[in-house]
Amino acid sequence: KAGVTQTPRYLIKTRGQQVTLSCSPISGHRSVSWYQQTPGQGLQFLFEYFSETQRNKGNFPGRFSGRQFSNSRSEMNVSTLELGDSALYLCASSFTGMGTNEKLFFGSGTQLSVL
Amino acid sequence: DQQVKQNSPSLSVQEGRISILNCDYTNSMFDYFLWYKKYPAEGPTFLISISSIKDKNEDGRFTVFLNKSAKHLSLHIVPSQPGDSAVYFCAASSHSGGGADGLTFGKGTHLIIQP
Repeated sequence: KAGVTQTPRYLIKTRGQQVTLSCSPISGHRSVSWYQQTPGQGLQFLFEYFSETQRNKGNFPGRFSGRQFSNSRSEMNVSTLELGDSALYLCASSFTGMGTNEKLFFGSGTQLSVL
Repeated sequence: DQQVKQNSPSLSVQEGRISILNCDYTNSMFDYFLWYKKYPAEGPTFLISISSIKDKNEDGRFTVFLNKSAKHLSLHIVPSQPGDSAVYFCAASSHSGGGADGLTFGKGTHLIIQP
């Protein structure tokens, strides 16, 4: 069974640009979550999608957005990039995202560098 | 306001000995706790979890203990092996209202197993 796939693996952008990251969950998983990892803040929850609907949202500005398609694949978009957006962006999937037996399976992440 | 705290950024343990990683939380609504392990350039992988209705969960060499009154959990690895060298993240979630509110992660502890 293929794991969570994130593309691209690395990305370099300049301030003010926008970026779109992609995530393909494990087959059968319908919940997709996004996390930002930085050295100073650790992993922080961005948002979670289930059945094409954003179900939960973390404390990030509106420049960070996402969507989920009918095949459960998800994209995350960051507009008007700032230097502080440089981070590892991790996608995680699970069957339903609910219940205390749910485990998240993470992809290897997209390393975004903003110059 | 950091709701999940891992106060030791790094820990060095001799091979064969017990590794004890600690985690404290402040949010009394958290009812599910997980440990993830992360190697460089890879996404976190699930290690072990515990529901708030339990105080101990064991899986092979890994045991997680939960002390709800102290809002403290710990991960014990016995015996420690070189392959255990990685960054360990403690995470917690709240299932109030029926859905997971995203995982809240600590900043991680870098475990180094010395030969």
